[in-house]
Amino acid sequence: DQQVKQNSPSLSVQEGRISILNCDYTNSMFDYFLWYKKYPAEGPTFLISISSIKDKNEDGRFTVFLNKSAKHLSLHIVPSQPGDSAVYFCAASRGNFNKFYFGSGTKLNVKP
Amino acid sequence: DSGVTQTPKHLITATGQRVTLRCSPRSGDLSVYWYQQSLDQGLQFLIQYYNGEERAKGNILERFSAQQFPDLHSELNLSSLELGDSALYFCASSVGYGRTGEDRVSYEQYFGPGTRLTVT
Repeated sequence: DQQVKQNSPSLSVQEGRISILNCDYTNSMFDYFLWYKKYPAEGPTFLISISSIKDKNEDGRFTVFLNKSAKHLSLHIVPSQPGDSAVYFCAASRGNFNKFYFGSGTKLNVKP
Repeated sequence: DSGVTQTPKHLITATGQRVTLRCSPRSGDLSVYWYQQSLDQGLQFLIQYYNGEERAKGNILERFSAQQFPDLHSELNLSSLELGDSALYFCASSVGYGRTGEDRVSYEQYFGPGTRLTVT
């Protein structure tokens, strides 16, 4: 049972525009959410996170929004750059456990 | 470079065989995690060790086992391999075993480059 879902396998955006990656989850006990970025032939790297007590967290060009009632989070990248082209995974955890549930990833292509 | 190393990078073997994947965590990290990524799937959590002890278990098959050694490196053993076991296997490490508040140091997981296993 996939508790974290990324329904868009791919997204193509023009350089300089906004990229919006979406993620849905089913388990209301999740209280911490993370985004990871993965380049080919490398492992995922941490990008940004958000606790369930917040609805927004910003770090430079990256902002994560959390809508608990809809069990939905999104990652906004503004402005998008060609170097942002990668696969983005959202992940969720609950309690103080480090057991992450990952989505299947969205491949972002930022066109120059 | 995350500081987490995994060997081998690629492994091709036949059904029914047994293989061992190895992971060395970042210096100072006590927790090791194993994940499986099959084609078009997200990363599936398999198992976590903290300072030599099993801490959390995910969807790990009985044919799979893992351990963490006193020097903190970990091995994932896959036996009676089936075609469906073909996947990327990632190891990750973190300082702690759980998340304490907003302190990223405790929970941030650093991933290795993965081992690609192909079962023919």
